[in-house]
Amino acid sequence: NAGVTQTPKFRVLKTGQSMTLLCAQDMNHEYMYWYRQDPGMGLRLIHYSVGEGTTAKGEVPDGYNVSRLKKQNFLLGLESAAPSQTSVYFCASSYSREPSGELFFGEGSRLTVL
Amino acid sequence: GQSLEQPSEVTAVEGAIVQINCTYQTSGFYGLSWYQQHDGGAPTFLSYNGLDGLEETGRFSSFLSRSDSYGYLLLQELQMKDSASYFCAPRGRGQGGKLIFGQGTELSVKP
Repeated sequence: NAGVTQTPKFRVLKTGQSMTLLCAQDMNHEYMYWYRQDPGMGLRLIHYSVGEGTTAKGEVPDGYNVSRLKKQNFLLGLESAAPSQTSVYFCASSYSREPSGELFFGEGSRLTVL
Repeated sequence: GQSLEQPSEVTAVEGAIVQINCTYQTSGFYGLSWYQQHDGGAPTFLSYNGLDGLEETGRFSSFLSRSDSYGYLLLQELQMKDSASYFCAPRGRGQGGKLIFGQGTELSVKP
């Protein structure tokens, strides 16, 4: 079982470039999340999905788009990267709709925007 | 709406006991989760409290008081490997599945 896999793990972009981060989970989870983590800022929710074909905004959605065309995949897109989007991005998934539902995280994608 | 407060840093020595507090304001509160994150790594689930009281898992315990909108994570017999960031995350009704984390508490365990 791979769990939650994020690709790429590292990426350097120039301002204005676009890119897509891919999150894949093999646990048949309904819920998927994208967080960003910056020093001293904790984990901030960007977008999330409660099922295939659905997406919703989190705390800091501006500058990002997402898609959940397949249940196992959750894509995070940056249409025009900015230096403020330099961060570590974590994807997570959860099976249970119960409040106790544990989130399983990927290992992170480290993005630098120059 | 939602607000969360955790101390930003805590320092303790090996073998000691440390408590990391979390206060929250969450509409339709269900329960409180705790996660651990070692430097540069993926966060991992530690515990969940849906009811008032103490939940114990080995050296770690988590407590919840709904009436005080307060919880804490208790780490006993501290080891160097416990140096990490710890996040609380309340669950609320009507959040549609999203989980918001606090800013985290960085625990440093000294020899």
